[in-house]
Amino acid sequence: EPEVTQTPSHQVTQMGQEVILRCVPISNHLYFYWYRQILGQKVEFLVSFYNNEISEKSEIFDDQFSVERPDGSNFTLKIRSTKLEDSAMYFCASSEGAGVQPQHFGDGTRLSIL
Amino acid sequence: AQSVTQLGSHVSVSEGALVLLRCNYSSSVPPYLFWYVQYPNQGLQLLLKYTSAATLVKGINGFEAEFKKSETSFHLTKPSAHMSDAAEYFCAVSDPGNQGGKLIFGQGTELSVKP
Repeated sequence: EPEVTQTPSHQVTQMGQEVILRCVPISNHLYFYWYRQILGQKVEFLVSFYNNEISEKSEIFDDQFSVERPDGSNFTLKIRSTKLEDSAMYFCASSEGAGVQPQHFGDGTRLSIL
Repeated sequence: AQSVTQLGSHVSVSEGALVLLRCNYSSSVPPYLFWYVQYPNQGLQLLLKYTSAATLVKGINGFEAEFKKSETSFHLTKPSAHMSDAAEYFCAVSDPGNQGGKLIFGQGTELSVKP
């Protein structure tokens, strides 16, 4: 069964540095998402992406964050000037359509900011 | 704003016993509803979904959920727990009117299964 893959599985970065989290969505999916889960808290929506542009973003997704689909297979989340509070598990997801179509999640990238 | 409440952050059952994990949503318009399971060090795996067809939805691994509009609930059940069901379970909703398709998650329920 096709899977969403995320790399790296664990990223350790110094505060203030930039980090790029990478995802390969399922190949025939058209909608792409990033979520994060801070330890002990609920999974939170960050951004959705369709047709090479952001469809929706949350309040968390400020100017520090950006997403890109640089080619036909990858979907990236960039965090500029990381802060301690960015430490979390970041999940990528993809779906064939929005809403009724279920989202398929990767195993996540654990981001640790020192 | 839409919200999801999962009653009980931790549920413990004996092997072979009924599993009941509760989920309530807040909107007056029935959303699309999903249950996901997360095993340690893994991503979220879809268990089942409700999209306004049958109110009783069957999913993988013997789980099912019933949509009750009058109670704004979508509780997850399994008749007989197995040790391998120990995991964290998340209820999530998507607003049918939302173009971006974002999911709003409950806080999760950790299920423990005792031998």
